[in-house]
Amino acid sequence: GQQVMQIPQYQHVQEGEDFTTYCNSSTTLSNIQWYKQRPGGHPVFLIQLVKSGEVKKQKRLTFQFGEAKKNSSLHITATQTTDVGTYFCAGLTDSWGKLQFGAGTQVVVTP
Amino acid sequence: ETGVTQTPRHLVMGMTNKKSLKCEQHLGHNAMYWYKQSAKKPLELMFVYNFKEQTENNSVPSRFSPECPNSSHLFLHLHTLQPEDSALYLCASSQGSSGRDYNYNEQFFGPGTRLTVL
Repeated sequence: GQQVMQIPQYQHVQEGEDFTTYCNSSTTLSNIQWYKQRPGGHPVFLIQLVKSGEVKKQKRLTFQFGEAKKNSSLHITATQTTDVGTYFCAGLTDSWGKLQFGAGTQVVVTP
Repeated sequence: ETGVTQTPRHLVMGMTNKKSLKCEQHLGHNAMYWYKQSAKKPLELMFVYNFKEQTENNSVPSRFSPECPNSSHLFLHLHTLQPEDSALYLCASSQGSSGRDYNYNEQFFGPGTRLTVL
């Protein structure tokens, strides 16, 4: 089964609103990476989190790694049309030996 | 542009054809990856090469055959594919490392090859 779960699968957001997408694992993760894929494009690396409770910000994007290192979130404030795309998280554990990608959250922004 | 190129960008092939996908990276990386991206599914890692050695073969059917002649080039040879193999095939590269620490490195993706098997 899928080892990294992302919710929601789809997110419709009004321009200017905030939203959060979540990434969950039943297993403690060594790290978590986030990627963004624009429609018709390819995944582009956004950030990597490694430490328990870590929070990183990139302008309007805030990334957080849970204290137990089993979940992560991406929060976007004041959504813009440029935020349209699919956001993927990818996690690693020693037993997996490789990054496991979630199915992604597809974000649609309405003006 | 990310420094990772893939050719062709689109490919339509019959089930009896043999074709190859090509990936080239200009970033000085030593790890290269093939992924399959199907609609509504997570990215599926197919193969990983770290310093030209294959370190991952994710139970991929033998009709897909990778080749990594040097650290800048990666090929995916295709033969007798099935319609369910239709997907976007993405190549990526990252800094290589000892062991599997390359998993901690940022991956740079190419634009992908959209493959349709008839």
